[in-house]
Amino acid sequence: QQQVKQSPQSLIVQKGGISIINCAYENTAFDYFPWYQQFPGKGPALLIAIRPDVSEKKEGRFTISFNKSAKQFSLHIMDSQPGDSATYFCAASIYTSYDKVIFGPGTSLSVIP
Amino acid sequence: NAGVTQTPKFRILKIGQSMTLQCTQDMNHNYMYWYRQDPGMGLKLIYYSVGAGITDKGEVPNGYNVSRSTTEDFPLRLELAAPSQTSVYFCASSYVGSSGYGYTFGSGTRLTVV
Repeated sequence: QQQVKQSPQSLIVQKGGISIINCAYENTAFDYFPWYQQFPGKGPALLIAIRPDVSEKKEGRFTISFNKSAKQFSLHIMDSQPGDSATYFCAASIYTSYDKVIFGPGTSLSVIP
Repeated sequence: NAGVTQTPKFRILKIGQSMTLQCTQDMNHNYMYWYRQDPGMGLKLIYYSVGAGITDKGEVPNGYNVSRSTTEDFPLRLELAAPSQTSVYFCASSYVGSSGYGYTFGSGTRLTVV
């Protein structure tokens, strides 16, 4: 029940295309869903996050879509750029908890010119 | 601001050796965490601390120990290194004890046990 599944494991997208990464969770107590971006040799950095009271959140070229009934959420990167090439982790947690952040296994995104 | 600083960046240990991974943050965050990252497995919480003198186990604490004598420092100790501890270790901190504020991660320590 604590697992967060993420797909695909790796993704190659042409510059200007749309990158889509999907995640699914099982624990219905989770109420906070962040995405982290990690560049090689660096630690993950918070990219964007959503709570279940909304179905979509957009920040620039990055959008999270959230489907509470299906227990799924996804990250869409519009107009993908080579600088977006990184590993992306979805996560799920209980908003008021500091110890129960469950990370997905990650997606390696390569944006080619 | 330096944020979260981890040292060393790389280390090779022999089986049975001990070492301490250092973590320092300059953001006056009360909450600090140690994660390990294995290929295809995401990040697993090892230990966390809610303030100086207070620590608790996470999901995968076996083989590790921590201490928190100051707000700034949260070292992770490996007493008897085993090949299963080969991993990338990340230290993180947060301002409040809510995952909703996001974590600030260090750049990681890549540890190989041979």
